[in-house]
Amino acid sequence: EAGVTQFPSHSVIEKGQTVTLRCDPISGHDNLYWYRRVMGKEIKFLLHFVKESKQDESGMPNNRFLAERTGGTYSTLKVQPAELEDSGVYFCASSQSRNTEAFFGQGTRLTVV
Amino acid sequence: AQSVTQLGSHVSVSEGALVLLRCNYSSSVPPYLFWYVQYPNQGLQLLLKYTSAATLVKGINGFEAEFKKSETSFHLTKPSAHMSDAAEYFCAVSEATSGTYKYIFGTGTRLKVLA
Repeated sequence: EAGVTQFPSHSVIEKGQTVTLRCDPISGHDNLYWYRRVMGKEIKFLLHFVKESKQDESGMPNNRFLAERTGGTYSTLKVQPAELEDSGVYFCASSQSRNTEAFFGQGTRLTVV
Repeated sequence: AQSVTQLGSHVSVSEGALVLLRCNYSSSVPPYLFWYVQYPNQGLQLLLKYTSAATLVKGINGFEAEFKKSETSFHLTKPSAHMSDAAEYFCAVSEATSGTYKYIFGTGTRLKVLA
């Protein structure tokens, strides 16, 4: 069974550009989470989807970040326009139910220059 | 609010020596606790989890952790380090708020195993 997959694995963009990250959860997992790790710091929660609905987006840094999960399958996280402080590793995770462990993808390393 | 503290951002041990990675948590409710590992160029992999059953939890690759409520700790141990254990380890507590079970992570401990 395929795990959580994220695309791309690396992205280097210039400040002011737009980047879209994609996450394909494990099939059948209704819960999808986005996390971010800024260099050397802890991994921080961004938001949580249950199917296509945003359950909790309290961790989203600002309105330059837009997450979607149309149809309740894969999810995208768009950053527009990107700023230098957006650099970091973005992790996606999915779980079958809310209180079971989450399975993480390999992350997307975003570098804004 | 919940929080996690991992003591030591870098830990070095000799091959065959005991591995001890420290994690202390803060939680106002009974916690669910997790250890994840990230090997180079890979995602986060669950090592083990505590969900209010046995306080000594055994995980993959010979790792185990003991939940100690009185000390608010969940330290990760392995009796004998192997070169392949070199990775970054994350302790996490799950926080259930408004139906979301999100993780609160520590800052991570990078384990180096010396030959």
